[in-house]
Amino acid sequence: DAGVTQSPTHLIKTRGQQVTLRCSPKSGHDTVSWYQQALGQGPQFIFQYYEEEERQRGNFPDRFSGHQFPNYSSELNVNALLLGDSALYLCASSPTGFAEAFFGQGTRLTVV
Amino acid sequence: QQQVKQSPQSLIVQKGGISIINCAYENTAFDYFPWYQQFPGKGPALLIAIRPDVSEKKEGRFTISFNKSAKQFSLHIMDSQPGDSATYFCAASSGGSNYKLTFGKGTLLTVNP
Repeated sequence: DAGVTQSPTHLIKTRGQQVTLRCSPKSGHDTVSWYQQALGQGPQFIFQYYEEEERQRGNFPDRFSGHQFPNYSSELNVNALLLGDSALYLCASSPTGFAEAFFGQGTRLTVV
Repeated sequence: QQQVKQSPQSLIVQKGGISIINCAYENTAFDYFPWYQQFPGKGPALLIAIRPDVSEKKEGRFTISFNKSAKQFSLHIMDSQPGDSATYFCAASSGGSNYKLTFGKGTLLTVNP
């Protein structure tokens, strides 16, 4: 059983560009959450998707948007990239109503 | 507002020793408290978790102690091994928030051989 998979693993973008990160949840999981982890910090909640809708959102600007597909996979989009967006972006999945969240290996985004 | 405070920031332990990491929370609505282990370049891996209806949970060498009145919980790693060297994060969430995780800032554990 594959766990949470994310792609790509590494990405370098130029300031002002747009980026899309992808996540496939663990089998049987229908809730997907995205987190941003800056170097040396704990993960920060960006938003959560369930039934193809954004269910809740953390303190991130509208430049951060997402999508969930019928097969529960998800995308994170970031527009107008800033240097400060450089971080490890983590996807976590869980079954609805369950607390246990399982993380992927993350996408390391570097903005230059 | 940092809702979950974790200490120490770093910890060095000898092989075979006990590693203790502490966390304190503010939001009394939290009802799920997991610990995650993260190796460099990897995502966090769920290690052990506890709910406030019990004061202690043990899984192998890892034990969570929970003090609801003090709003504190801690991770104890018994017989620490060099392979345990990693960053450990405490977190908290509530069903009312659809289990959105709030993380501490992490503790870098080094276990010397």
